[in-house]
Amino acid sequence: GQNIDQPTEMTATEGAIVQINCTYQTSGFNGLFWYQQHAGEAPTFLSYNVLDGLEEKGRFSSFLSRSKGYSYLLLKELQMKDSASYLCAVRDGDYKLSFGAGTTVTVRA
Amino acid sequence: ETGVTQTPRHLVMGMTNKKSLKCEQHLGHNAMYWYKQSAKKPLELMFVYNFKEQTENNSVPSRFSPECPNSSHLFLHLHTLQPEDSALYLCASSQEAGGPDEQFFGPGTRLTVL
Repeated sequence: GQNIDQPTEMTATEGAIVQINCTYQTSGFNGLFWYQQHAGEAPTFLSYNVLDGLEEKGRFSSFLSRSKGYSYLLLKELQMKDSASYLCAVRDGDYKLSFGAGTTVTVRA
Repeated sequence: ETGVTQTPRHLVMGMTNKKSLKCEQHLGHNAMYWYKQSAKKPLELMFVYNFKEQTENNSVPSRFSPECPNSSHLFLHLHTLQPEDSALYLCASSQEAGGPDEQFFGPGTRLTVL
């Protein structure tokens, strides 16, 4: 099975940077995803990492270290609309995707 | 219609009822998924279908029965549910299961079991 840990809540001010960490344990790692979920809405895809290193997409970047079982999502130049839950998900083998409980980020003016 | 659609959006049912949730994707994907999202709990994968074949059943009780008649449609048949089954049920699709492609989620069905 999976063991995916991420902080429950984080708060930051508009324009700041926030880093959301995710640690995981899996026997057959086959990719790590980050999703954003606004309250009452479906999750939407942010990033995918399968090799070690940093993937950058505009204001959002995601990092992976497979040897450490560790990833982070970096949100830069925070905006109010970034207030949401951020879900770390790890794929084990071909099909099984397991999600962390999510990190609720609150952006304050 | 575009993306992934789910009907109904809200459902209230008694424990003795039989109902079905429907999911349809208009993205030309070959993999479809059912997830359960309960309050304060991680999103739980229930079933995976890849090219209409069920490839994953994540120890889901038999009172939940999936059906995938073709790559665009996925159903979840419900019978004799329990109050603890009340949750948001999300459908998702991707190009194929196991690839690098992200999953696209539908808006979900909010289920309440009385």
